[in-house]
Amino acid sequence: DSGVTQTPKHLITATGQRVTLRCSPRSGDLSVYWYQQSLDQGLQFLIQYYNGEERAKGNILERFSAQQFPDLHSELNLSSLELGDSALYFCASSVSGLADYEQYFGPGTRLTVT
Amino acid sequence: AQSVTQPDIHITVSEGASLELRCNYSYGATPYLFWYVQSPGQGLQLLLKYFSGDTLVQGIKGFEAEFKRSQSSFNLRKPSVHWSDAAEYFCAVGPTNDYKLSFGAGTTVTVRA
Repeated sequence: DSGVTQTPKHLITATGQRVTLRCSPRSGDLSVYWYQQSLDQGLQFLIQYYNGEERAKGNILERFSAQQFPDLHSELNLSSLELGDSALYFCASSVSGLADYEQYFGPGTRLTVT
Repeated sequence: AQSVTQPDIHITVSEGASLELRCNYSYGATPYLFWYVQSPGQGLQLLLKYFSGDTLVQGIKGFEAEFKRSQSSFNLRKPSVHWSDAAEYFCAVGPTNDYKLSFGAGTTVTVRA
């Protein structure tokens, strides 16, 4: 158990809908990262927040957005969903926002868009 | 920009045999290097990391990796594989001046009895 929690574990929704994925980092970790894992794209970095502020952006679509709240939990919002958005979404956390601190991954949320 | 290549998509190894997974990276300087393991239905777990110093790094579960600057490689090894090592393994690189990890495509390891 990494100490990172993600809810829900599974989500099934229809195209065009909007969903929110939630992540609670390990106690004491200030940085939260979001990743998308799909069969065709592999594991892709989406976005990082550090202590409430956006720190880095990766291959995140404009239909996706995220935020980190004062209690440091984070939410990833996916809107106008398409079939291709079906994937496993991971949240990770680290103490710092720098790459020299290892990231601890949550169990993921499996999103299925039908 | 950094990138990671894991040349082997799938490796099958007998229980008790040795295992080596290859990882090559592309980056202008020495990056931070990581190996993660993902068991079926699970998140990623950090096996080991290299930041600097000794180029042979010991990790959890009996794994080790060797950083070779001349070959831009960071190969993962285990002397004797257990059935529980069947999983997907990801090599990742993190630049020293950035925050983003780049992952390789992963290598799936199957362990046969």
